[in-house]
Amino acid sequence: AQSVAQPEDQVNVAEGNPLTVKCTYSVSGNPYLFWYVQYPNRGLQFLLKYITGDNLVKGSYGFEAEFNKSQTSFHLKKPSALVSDSALYFCAVREWGTASKLTFGTGTRLQVTL
Amino acid sequence: NAGVTQTPKFQVLKTGQSMTLQCAQDMNHEYMSWYRQDPGMGLRLIHYSVGAGITDQGEVPNGYNVSRSTTEDFPLRLLSAAPSQTSVYFCASSPRPGTSGDTQYFGPGTRLTVL
Repeated sequence: AQSVAQPEDQVNVAEGNPLTVKCTYSVSGNPYLFWYVQYPNRGLQFLLKYITGDNLVKGSYGFEAEFNKSQTSFHLKKPSALVSDSALYFCAVREWGTASKLTFGTGTRLQVTL
Repeated sequence: NAGVTQTPKFQVLKTGQSMTLQCAQDMNHEYMSWYRQDPGMGLRLIHYSVGAGITDQGEVPNGYNVSRSTTEDFPLRLLSAAPSQTSVYFCASSPRPGTSGDTQYFGPGTRLTVL
C-alpha cells in the first residue's frame, strides 16, 4: 500500500528566511508526487508535481521541491518565505503507471512571521 | 471556466437526516472524487469515478453513496447523517489517471455539521 508521511504538524519561519516542509513517501513502483496548498476556508490548490526527469521541480509562487529516490523524500522548499505563504501544505503520492488513487499526507501548517 | 463548483458551502443536519452534496466540473475531466478533511487526518477518499456510469469506493465509503450519470456531475449522498460525518467535504476532478496531466482540481468545499 502506498503512504505519505509529513513528520511536522507545523513549521515556523521568519519572513525572508528559507523554508522547508518535509515529505517522505512509500510506493511499490515509481511515484507521481504532488504538493498542494490550502489557504483558510479554501479548497486545495496545486503547487507542483514530479513525474519524471529532473529531480528539482519548480512550481507556483516561487516554491520548488527536490525528489530524492534513495531517501524516498520530496521536500518542499522556498528560498525566501513570505507572510502570505502561511497556509496548510499537503504532500500526495500515486504510483506511476497504475490507476491507483492519490494518497495524501496529514498536512503541515506553515506559519511565516515578520 | 468555473472549474469545480460545490453546493452548498455550509450545511447543518440533524442525526438521521439525508442530503446530497452537489459537485460539478466544466473541464471535461473523466476522473472525479470526493474527499473528507478532518483535523490531523489529511484528506481521505470517500468515493471516486473514472467516467460516467462508473464509480468505486475509496478509503472511507460507509454512509455515503455516489452516482455519475454525466461527465460533469458527481453528487455525494448522505443516507442517514451521523455526528461522525461532521467534516469538510471536497470534490475534485482530474484528467484520466496515468496521463501526464493527472493534477487534481479541487472545489471550495462544503462544511457539514451533524447535530
